[in-house]
Amino acid sequence: GAVVSQHPSWVICKSGTSVKIECRSLDFQATTMFWYRQFPKQSLMLMATSNEGSKATYEQGVEKDKFLINHASLTLSTLTVTSAHPEDSSFYICSAQRQGSSYEQYFGPGTRLTVT
Amino acid sequence: AQTVTQSQPEMSVQEAETVTLSCTYDTSESDYYLFWYKQPPSRQMILVIRQEAYKQQNATENRFSVNFQKAAKSFSLKISDSQLGDAAMYFCAYRRGNAGKSTFGDGTTLTVKP
Repeated sequence: GAVVSQHPSWVICKSGTSVKIECRSLDFQATTMFWYRQFPKQSLMLMATSNEGSKATYEQGVEKDKFLINHASLTLSTLTVTSAHPEDSSFYICSAQRQGSSYEQYFGPGTRLTVT
Repeated sequence: AQTVTQSQPEMSVQEAETVTLSCTYDTSESDYYLFWYKQPPSRQMILVIRQEAYKQQNATENRFSVNFQKAAKSFSLKISDSQLGDAAMYFCAYRRGNAGKSTFGDGTTLTVKP
């Protein structure tokens, strides 16, 4: 099957610090990865689309300088929350689109970020 | 912009019975895909079923089936013989063909009563 991992699964950081979340496709190559944010009992909100070797495309209202996305290889994308604040506390989910597939996305298990 | 609407924030069903979750969407595209995802308390998104817009036949996966009404832009999910493990939040999602980006509905929380 197609497995996507995220690391860490849960992170607590202090206000003002930065935290990096990794998203890896373990058994397939992903030309495109997506980063979502989800608040409790709410829907997934797309933050950005990450394409290997190029700049990420951010959704309207998402701060590019705050949420840095890097898609350095066909199996790894990272999301760095810079100068985190308590309002950045949320559940972050990545998904990966298999190279050559036009519709299937595989989701990671998510990362819970708590900023104190 | 595409929108996906799930009008039922919460639904409940008795174990072994059937429940239908509603979803409507708005698009001017002809090439797209529709999905139902399940998100249990673990919060891992699980694909339940998908439907290609060009296919007239409704998709079926074991106890899960859809009623895809393209003209009405409706895409409901029917769960038959409900099981306790079906309890979760269910999201309807739309994806334009080859675009990759998905739009999700607000979700329906399904409770299964023993």
